[in-house]
Amino acid sequence: AQTVTQSQPEMSVQEAETVTLSCTYDTSESDYYLFWYKQPPSRQMILVIRQEAYKQQNATENRFSVNFQKAAKSFSLKISDSQLGDAAMYFCAYRSLGTGNQFYFGTGTSLTVIP
Amino acid sequence: NAGVTQTPKFRILKIGQSMTLQCAQDMNHNYMYWYRQDPGMGLKLIYYSVGAGITDKGEVPNGYNVSRSTTEDFPLRLELAAPSQTSVYFCASKQGASSYEQYFGPGTRLTVT
Repeated sequence: AQTVTQSQPEMSVQEAETVTLSCTYDTSESDYYLFWYKQPPSRQMILVIRQEAYKQQNATENRFSVNFQKAAKSFSLKISDSQLGDAAMYFCAYRSLGTGNQFYFGTGTSLTVIP
Repeated sequence: NAGVTQTPKFRILKIGQSMTLQCAQDMNHNYMYWYRQDPGMGLKLIYYSVGAGITDKGEVPNGYNVSRSTTEDFPLRLELAAPSQTSVYFCASKQGASSYEQYFGPGTRLTVT
């Protein structure tokens, strides 16, 4: 089974600054998808950004971007110009292309934004 | 569209009791998933379904059962509840194999005492 590791249980950032959340994964598959989800205190899971493994170009969504290093099996999330509303748990997730497209989640990073 | 709905929002069970967590989606999605999220942890897949009548086990299926008689509904059954099943349960759905995004329900917080 695939595993996803987030080694930073907690991170903090000053408002308007940049922060990078780390994620590594282990897989024997050559093609897959990677995601970052945000979970605010409401518990709702919100998709932040996705990356297809076959694409070399790093995905970007407004203030959110990723650094995808396929050979190193690393998938970090950079949040630029951090806002108070960015405070949440962030989960890295791996999606298999096998039957059912199973998702595997990391343990999460709790991000605090300091005014 | 209501999206993915889950009932109940909260439930307290005694050890040994049984219950069914309901999940429904109105987006005509083929794929549906049940996850559990233990405190301070990520989501772990319990069961999934790729269409009506088809279900399969995920990472942590023990103590649970599912059925998928319609495209819309994907109930999760807990038999003989145990304290280890105290968790938040999320249902999710997506259109099909080629679609990227899962749509999550709001979750059910279950406590077994």
